[in-house]
Amino acid sequence: QITLKESGPTLVKPTQTLTLTCTFSGFSLSTSEVGVGWLRQPPGKALEWLALIYWDDDKRYSPSLKSRLTITKDTSKNQVVLTMTNMDPVDTATYYCAHRNPAAGYDYWGQGTLVTVSS
Amino acid sequence: QSVLTQPPSASGTPGQRVTISCSGSSSNIGSDYVYWYQQLPGTAPKLLIYRNNKRPSGVPDRFSGSKSGTSASLAISGLRSEDEADYFCAVWDDSLSVWVFGGGTKLTVL
Repeated sequence: QITLKESGPTLVKPTQTLTLTCTFSGFSLSTSEVGVGWLRQPPGKALEWLALIYWDDDKRYSPSLKSRLTITKDTSKNQVVLTMTNMDPVDTATYYCAHRNPAAGYDYWGQGTLVTVSS
Repeated sequence: QSVLTQPPSASGTPGQRVTISCSGSSSNIGSDYVYWYQQLPGTAPKLLIYRNNKRPSGVPDRFSGSKSGTSASLAISGLRSEDEADYFCAVWDDSLSVWVFGGGTKLTVL
């Protein structure tokens, strides 16, 4: 059974750096073609894809946010970490991590964590 | 504004069949697989349809997906009260090099 869970601060100040951790179970990030992605959803708005890291450490970023994002993995800990620099109130959203299945896209999602950016 | 266009709302009565559309372009729907998600209030998205028309195990066959050209549709037959949720379409966009999502359709079961 695949599960994922996001953890990190619920409140950050403008200009600060956000660090979110995705801890997962039920799969290995060393399995060929598997990936873990990060997505977010501002309150009442559509989902937005942020980043993806593959089993072979290949990384993909949303072009509009690439300069602010870093995604890393720790295969031994079953964790993926996303950092986002220079946070702004418009970055207030629920942040999700999700398992990327090569055949079925993002098929399992974490419960999400709401991050509020405010001074 | 979302790259993929969905109607903001849809409705139906129990037992009816409803269809939700998702309109895109040649760089996304026209060239890659479409995915559909159901999001109940306060919960994470749940994958309903992958690769245009395939259902993950556990998803009832009341849910079906189709694609034609640069548009896709999600159909729900035998509508039930528990189907009341937000539905999103998603696809990879080759021009933007990013996964794009529709704005979501809120389905109300009357």
